[in-house]
Amino acid sequence: AQSVSQHNHHVILSEAASLELGCNYSYGGTVNLFWYVQYPGQHLQLLLKYFSGDPLVKGIKGFEAEFIKSKFSFNLRKPSVQWSDTAEYFCAVNGGTGRRALTFGSGTRLQVQP
Amino acid sequence: GAVVSQHPSWVICKSGTSVKIECRSLDFQATTMFWYRQFPKQSLMLMATSNEGSKATYEQGVEKDKFLINHASLTLSTLTVTSAHPEDSSFYICSSGVPGTGELFFGEGSRLTVL
Repeated sequence: AQSVSQHNHHVILSEAASLELGCNYSYGGTVNLFWYVQYPGQHLQLLLKYFSGDPLVKGIKGFEAEFIKSKFSFNLRKPSVQWSDTAEYFCAVNGGTGRRALTFGSGTRLQVQP
Repeated sequence: GAVVSQHPSWVICKSGTSVKIECRSLDFQATTMFWYRQFPKQSLMLMATSNEGSKATYEQGVEKDKFLINHASLTLSTLTVTSAHPEDSSFYICSSGVPGTGELFFGEGSRLTVL
């Protein structure tokens, strides 16, 4: 079975600080990887996704993530966070036998202080 | 991108009553929809996969008689929480996507509070 681990549960940063959120998954087959963001009171929005190709993926709002197959990781990064990045971030994976449902990590709450 | 919409956004009901939540795909045909449950400060847990025109597939530990899913058309799936109890209080979220794209879109979620 697939599982996703997000090790940072709550991260507090000052504006302009750099961000890296860890995500590790356990599944030996081909996977699709996603990062979603949930702003307060809003629904999940896709930040970026990796299906194949260049393991460094760029998403919206200046976010990027790097897929490292040997480490089963898909960490999310942003060079300089803004107050508006305050939200909950979820890493998710699907794959295997054509299963489209996503398996989510536990989420990381990011709080950016002005 | 594709739009998935849920209704109602929030509902309060008495213990023992049933509550229906609708999930609609607004600009695409959804042969499959996924229902998730999110407890406070926790992640989304897949409850079931709703398949148009056939029975839903439930995840282990999810009571199919408790959480009735109907996917009667290509744009609508419903989740009915039957004989709701306070422990059923949660945030229910549906998702779907255009087949073949690999990407899923999420509804706004429905917050259920059972008194």
